Amino acid sequence: DAGVIQSPRHEVTEMGQEVTLRCKPISGHNSLFWYRQTMMRGLELLIYFNNNVPIDDSGMPEDRFSAKMPNASFSTLKIQPSEPRDSAVYFCASRGGQGMGNEQFFGPGTRLTVL
Amino acid sequence: GENVEQHPSTLSVQEGDSAVIKCTYSDSASNYFPWYKQELGKRPQLIIDIRSNVGEKKDQRIAVTLNKTAKHFSLHITETQPEDSAVYFCAASINGGYQKVTFGIGTKLQVIP
Repeated sequence: DAGVIQSPRHEVTEMGQEVTLRCKPISGHNSLFWYRQTMMRGLELLIYFNNNVPIDDSGMPEDRFSAKMPNASFSTLKIQPSEPRDSAVYFCASRGGQGMGNEQFFGPGTRLTVL
Repeated sequence: GENVEQHPSTLSVQEGDSAVIKCTYSDSASNYFPWYKQELGKRPQLIIDIRSNVGEKKDQRIAVTLNKTAKHFSLHITETQPEDSAVYFCAASINGGYQKVTFGIGTKLQVIP
């Protein structure tokens, strides 16, 4: 398996533009997590899905952020409109279900810069 | 919700010395405590974990201890090597980790050759 795949790896955009980050979890995993990492706040959980259903989105900063998981092999995190304070590294992670271990496998991350 | 505090935020040790990173958690229902290592520019990766029914777990040069009463857990790295230099995150979760995991702020460890 190629592991968790994220795209793009780097994104530079201007304030006000829409940004879409993409994630493909490891095949067979049924939980997917979106994290944001900054120097000041560390690794923050934004939202997570179990079996494609959003379970906890309390970490989503505001209405400008939205996430979807239309099927077991794909998820998106959208920011509209983007702001400079959204600049961060966004990680997607996936985890297997009961009996498959607790480890979360992280993707390589998307480094977002909003000018 | 769960709150995980981690310290120190930065730690420098001489190669060969030991390093200790400490964390506390707030939710007494937490029963799964993983530790992740993140090298510069890389993704976090699990290095060791411990469950609440165990007080200590060791894997070669790394060990974790857990004090459920005090809600403390720690990572110990012995005989540190330059390749141990990274950011280390502690975390806590309920339900054996099959729900969300709350991470600490991270500790940047520098091993000086």
